[in-house]
Amino acid sequence: GAVVSQHPSWVICKSGTSVKIECRSLDFQATTMFWYRQFPKQSLMLMATSNEGSKATYEQGVEKDKFLINHASLTLSTLTVTSAHPEDSSFYICSAQVGVANQPQHFGDGTRLSIL
Amino acid sequence: GQQLNQSPQSMFIQEGEDVSMNCTSSSIFNTWLWYKQDPGEGPVLLIALYKAGELTSNGRLTAQFGITRKDSFLNISASIPSDVGIYFCAGLSSNDYKLSFGAGTTVTVRA
Repeated sequence: GAVVSQHPSWVICKSGTSVKIECRSLDFQATTMFWYRQFPKQSLMLMATSNEGSKATYEQGVEKDKFLINHASLTLSTLTVTSAHPEDSSFYICSAQVGVANQPQHFGDGTRLSIL
Repeated sequence: GQQLNQSPQSMFIQEGEDVSMNCTSSSIFNTWLWYKQDPGEGPVLLIALYKAGELTSNGRLTAQFGITRKDSFLNISASIPSDVGIYFCAGLSSNDYKLSFGAGTTVTVRA
């Protein structure tokens, strides 16, 4: 149980393109999902908390107009990197929380984004 | 969230050896979690701890939630090649339910 699916697993695109990444909870409903960014050999950095039916909460320093988050249903959150540039290249990972708030987050397999 | 102090940063071990790593924090957590991440993949939950003093096992893995609620350790017994990867500790805050991660421990097993 507690499977989180992330798609696509990797993307290569030209600078200026907008890229959408999907995060789905396959066998449970998730009112809260989280989006992280991870640079090579580093830990996960929380970008934003995605709440079903309401606006996402962004961490300090994360541009909300750059990283658009939509959580339209209890099983799907999307992250759109708008007008992506090479410095946006990174490993993006989503997670979803099962049940009540003190339960573990379960992670997707990540999306490798490379902007040329 | 804050970054937790996780050590060691990396370790090279012989197959069959036991592995131990720990995490400390300046803040109290209500839940401690241990994840393993393989290259190019997302972290996979290994063990979740919910009570101070709790000792939990998952196969060859054992983890404990420190009494002070500010630390946790993970032990791997009789390591095998597939134990290679990066292990992250994470604390869950009851204030905002966000995860704070350690910097990770990279484990390399020599056959």
